[in-house]
Amino acid sequence: SQTIHQWPATLVQPVGSPLSLECTVEGTSNPNLYWYRQAAGRGLQLLFYSVGIGQISSEVPQNLSASRPQDRQFILSSKKLLLSDSGFYLCAWSVPGGGTNEKLFFGSGTQLSVL
Amino acid sequence: GENVEQHPSTLSVQEGDSAVIKCTYSDSASNYFPWYKQELGKRPQLIIDIRSNVGEKKDQRIAVTLNKTAKHFSLHITETQPEDSAVYFCAAYTSGTYKYIFGTGTRLKVLA
Repeated sequence: SQTIHQWPATLVQPVGSPLSLECTVEGTSNPNLYWYRQAAGRGLQLLFYSVGIGQISSEVPQNLSASRPQDRQFILSSKKLLLSDSGFYLCAWSVPGGGTNEKLFFGSGTQLSVL
Repeated sequence: GENVEQHPSTLSVQEGDSAVIKCTYSDSASNYFPWYKQELGKRPQLIIDIRSNVGEKKDQRIAVTLNKTAKHFSLHITETQPEDSAVYFCAAYTSGTYKYIFGTGTRLKVLA
């Protein structure tokens, strides 16, 4: 069966520090991968998505970036964190292709606090 | 760009009553509509979904309806229980874009 791993679960970082969040998926090949951010008490904002290795689409211009160095690995990065980067970051995956394959599954999330 | 509007933002019901959450999407090419339940500090969990070629789907106490003409879909929870209390999100997916666009969420409180 497929599983998604996301770490760390919580992170406290000072303003101006770098960030690296990692997500890996097991049990499937060539998944579509996503990064969402959820501000406290708010909705799910799509940040980046990837349909293949090295292919990254950005939805929101900001000081974050994403990379997909391997088929089932998705990384969210920042060179210098801002206070506004605080939030709950969720990685997600799906296997598109019609039929019953559009289901989107989330990782357990990373609670990031920028102080 | 694509947009999903969700109402209401908060909903309180008495245990045993029904709850209805409504969403409207903007992209007429959207073809898949999932609903998620999120408990505090946890990941969103898929609870039910519907495809554009279906008008209604039911799973025990939960049902979803879709009106493609109006670009409107709804979640119906019957015989609500305290454990149904959570934040619910709707989403719209369009195959050609690979994007899942979420509504802003509804905080459901079931009062015992």
